[in-house]
Amino acid sequence: DGGITQSPKYLFRKEGQNVTLSCEQNLNHDAMYWYRQDPGQGLRLIYYSQIVNDFQKGDIAEGYSVSREKKESFPLTVTSAQKNPTAFYLCASSIGQSNTEAFFGQGTRLTVV
Amino acid sequence: AQSVTQLGSHVSVSEGALVLLRCNYSSSVPPYLFWYVQYPNQGLQLLLKYTSAATLVKGINGFEAEFKKSETSFHLTKPSAHMSDAAEYFCAVSDRGSRLTFGEGTQLTVNP
Repeated sequence: DGGITQSPKYLFRKEGQNVTLSCEQNLNHDAMYWYRQDPGQGLRLIYYSQIVNDFQKGDIAEGYSVSREKKESFPLTVTSAQKNPTAFYLCASSIGQSNTEAFFGQGTRLTVV
Repeated sequence: AQSVTQLGSHVSVSEGALVLLRCNYSSSVPPYLFWYVQYPNQGLQLLLKYTSAATLVKGINGFEAEFKKSETSFHLTKPSAHMSDAAEYFCAVSDRGSRLTFGEGTQLTVNP
């Protein structure tokens, strides 16, 4: 079945450590996105990529990094520079046109202790 | 920049009652608008989308939304709430290509 797979579903890390969240899609979509979700704040865009080997900062990119070496993969690294990393992270993909919807993964809940 | 405002972070209805979730948008160009639903600890699922073909859009699970340009609104409705409708709902607008901007969400509670 086609879809977006995020792993792991739950992740615990110590403060000061970098951590990488995985996102893989087999929908043959050009565009991929990372959102952060906090209670009462909706979804905020971290990074997005519209084509392989290219990506742009979203609204809250500080403390995060991404790569897009393959069309189907868009990993997100939460670095130690991110001041408040505990959150629910959602990956999405789309065909890449403004009138088309995004498809979401099941999310990764990151807890930093 | 385009933006979305969802009026009411929490809405509570009785089972069988009308569901109305409000969404207003700000856009300098004709927008593409979406409603998504999220169940606890899961990703988002598309309910419906407006892409200028028709102002009244029907979606899954009996939901529909009406695009009103004069009011810059895209409110989500369902005639009769079901317990399984309890979830968080997000309105979103597409801007700068395929990038989505989301509202802050509305938590819907359905009382028996």
